[in-house]
Amino acid sequence: GAVVSQHPSRVICKSGTSVKIECRSLDFQATTMFWYRQFPKKSLMLMATSNEGSKATYEQGVEKDKFLINHASLTLSTLTVTSAHPEDSSFYICSAPVAPGKLLATFYNEQFFGPGTRLTVL
Amino acid sequence: KNEVEQSPQNLTAQEGEFITINCSYSVGISALHWLQQHPGGGIVSLFMLSSGKKKHGRLIATINIQEKHSSLHITASHPRDSAVYICAVRARGGATNKLIFGTGTLLAVQP
Repeated sequence: GAVVSQHPSRVICKSGTSVKIECRSLDFQATTMFWYRQFPKKSLMLMATSNEGSKATYEQGVEKDKFLINHASLTLSTLTVTSAHPEDSSFYICSAPVAPGKLLATFYNEQFFGPGTRLTVL
Repeated sequence: KNEVEQSPQNLTAQEGEFITINCSYSVGISALHWLQQHPGGGIVSLFMLSSGKKKHGRLIATINIQEKHSSLHITASHPRDSAVYICAVRARGGATNKLIFGTGTLLAVQP
C-alpha cells in the first residue's frame, strides 16, 4: 500500500517559536493533502486542504497566518505553526488521497494517513 | 447533531467476542471509510466502501446506502484489536476527498 510519512514525530518547543511539520507521500504523488488537528479523546478536526501549486484552503476558524501551509511538490506539504503558544499543543496529522492514475486502481480515492506529530509548546 | 454519528462511544469486550460498531450519517455520500487509530496515534485505513460489504481477515464492513448506515464487525476479537475505530464519510458533491469524521469508538478487548 501507499505510505505517508510525517516529520518530526514529536516536538517540544518554547512559546513564541515556529515549528515546521513535514508530510510526505513516499510512493505516490499527491496533488492534495489534508492537515488535521486532534485533541485528546476527540476526533480529527480538518484544518486545511493543501493544494500543490496553489494556495491552501483553510477551514472556518483556522488562522491562515498562524498555520502556514506550503505544498512545495507533488510529494511534500509542510505545516508551519508560527509563534507557537501552549494552546497550539496538539496532535497534528496529515493525509493524502490517491488520485486516479497515481497508483494501482485498487487505491483510487483511498486516503493514507501520516503517523502524526505531537507538538508540545512550553 | 453531528453529520456522522458512531455507537457505542466506548466498548469493552472479552477476547474472542464478536464486536459490532455502528455508524450513521445524514449526508449523501460517495464513499465511507473505516479507520483504526492505535494509542500511538497513527491512523490506518481499514476499508473504503460505497456499497455492499467488504471483508479483510477478521474484519467485515457493511454499508446500507438507503438507510445511511454502516457497521464494522470484528470476529474472534483479540487484545491487539484494542484501538479507536473511526467512521468517516466523503460527502457527495463536496470538495474532492474531504472527509467528515465521526467521534470514534474506543474499543478495549480484554484477555
